[in-house]
Amino acid sequence: RKEVEQDPGPFNVPEGATVAFNCTYSNSASQSFFWYRQDCRKEPKLLMSVYSSGNEDGRFTAQLNRASQYISLLIRDSKLSDSATYLCVVLNNAGNMLTFGGGTRLMVKP
Amino acid sequence: DGGITQSPKYLFRKEGQNVTLSCEQNLNHDAMYWYRQDPGQGLRLIYYSQIVNDFQKGDIAEGYSVSREKKESFPLTVTSAQKNPTAFYLCASGQGDLSGANVLTFGAGSRLTVL
Repeated sequence: RKEVEQDPGPFNVPEGATVAFNCTYSNSASQSFFWYRQDCRKEPKLLMSVYSSGNEDGRFTAQLNRASQYISLLIRDSKLSDSATYLCVVLNNAGNMLTFGGGTRLMVKP
Repeated sequence: DGGITQSPKYLFRKEGQNVTLSCEQNLNHDAMYWYRQDPGQGLRLIYYSQIVNDFQKGDIAEGYSVSREKKESFPLTVTSAQKNPTAFYLCASGQGDLSGANVLTFGAGSRLTVL
């Protein structure tokens, strides 16, 4: 089993749609969780951290379920510019190593 | 502007040749990392260094070598022993504990193609 698993997609959605991605992780001692965004042929960039209580940043909402070992990302009112690959990232319990999921590709269509 | 610079951006290599990818950061970060990304895949850790003159193997270190003689620099050599070196290579840096506000900053990447 991979340490961090994501549905690779692609998720094809129309503009304005709400879309959700899930990610599961295998190490129950993992400390912190993040979503990164990666545009085609570019470097990943931090989208948001994921806090235990759930957190929201504009149209983006991230949630963590430690009991079931999954995290989620919800995007509301999708824009064309949201088209990218979203990487689920897990920090180990030592706080010095990030493990990346394979990414979920999102394509927002007009 | 503080950041990470990788060079070259694109590189072509013949089979059997070693090649060195440069990574320089002016963020004063202690830790530096090298990742490899294959098409449609996530990032896999090759090597990392948490302090000058020290580095550790990641998940896929075979066929690669690194050095960390200066805090700012963490070059990666792709040797002829690496069986499938064509990939997108990403260098990153971070400061200490990576939780919360201290996250990884990535360079723009180097795309290596073996002919």
